Amino acid sequence: EVQLVESGGGLVQPGGSLRLSCAASGFIVSSNYMSWVRQAPGKGLEWLSVINDGGTTYYADSVKGRFTISRDNSRNTVYLQMNSLRTQDTAVYYCARVGELFVFDPWGQGTLVTVSS
Amino acid sequence: SYVLTQPPSVSVAPGKTARITCGGNNFGSKSVHWYLQKPGQAPVLVIFNDSDRPSGIPERFSGSNSGNTATLTIFRVEAGDEADYYCQVWDNFSDHPYVFGTGTKVTVL
Repeated sequence: EVQLVESGGGLVQPGGSLRLSCAASGFIVSSNYMSWVRQAPGKGLEWLSVINDGGTTYYADSVKGRFTISRDNSRNTVYLQMNSLRTQDTAVYYCARVGELFVFDPWGQGTLVTVSS
Repeated sequence: SYVLTQPPSVSVAPGKTARITCGGNNFGSKSVHWYLQKPGQAPVLVIFNDSDRPSGIPERFSGSNSGNTATLTIFRVEAGDEADYYCQVWDNFSDHPYVFGTGTKVTVL
C-alpha cells in the first residue's frame, strides 16, 4: 500500500526551527517528485516546495531561504527543515507524492506546526 | 503568479447535482485536478487530468475543462460529499508552478 506518514510538528517560538519528516512506504521516494503543502487554520492549500527525482528543489516565495526540502534515500523519507519560523507559518503541513501531470497523490495525514510565544 | 478562482460555497440538496467551477487563464492548455477535503482530514484526489477518476472514486464525480473554466460535477449528491473541494494545475510558466484554487465548501442541505 502506498502511504505517507508525517511527523515532527509541534509548538515552536518565533524565530525557531523545526524539521518535519515524511516517511514513505509502497514506493521509492528517490524515483518520484515529492512535495510539501501547508494549510493555515481555516485557510486553503498552499504549495511550499518540491524535490524532483534528480534532487533539484523548488520553493514558494513565502518560504524561500527559510525552508529546505531534502530526502534520505536509505530511509525512504523526505524532510522539510524550517528555520526562522514566523507566526504566519502556523499550519498543518502535508507531504504528498507528485505524479504524472503533476497530480498530488497520495497525501500524508498532516502534522501541525504552531509558531507562538 | 497563476490564480485559480473558485466560488467560496455551493449548497445542494441530497440527490441533486452540485457543480463547482474553477477559473483560470488559458485553461485549455493545462490539466486540471480536483481534491476533496473533509474536516480534519488530508485532501484526497477525486479527478485528475480534467476528467479522469482514480480507482475507488464513485462515477458520481465527473470533471470537465473548457475555455477558461474547469468544472467538477457531483451527481446524486450524498451527505458524505459535504467537504471542501480544491482545483489544482501546474503552470510551467510560473516560478510558483503548483497552484491550488481558493477552495469551495460544499454544503449538503
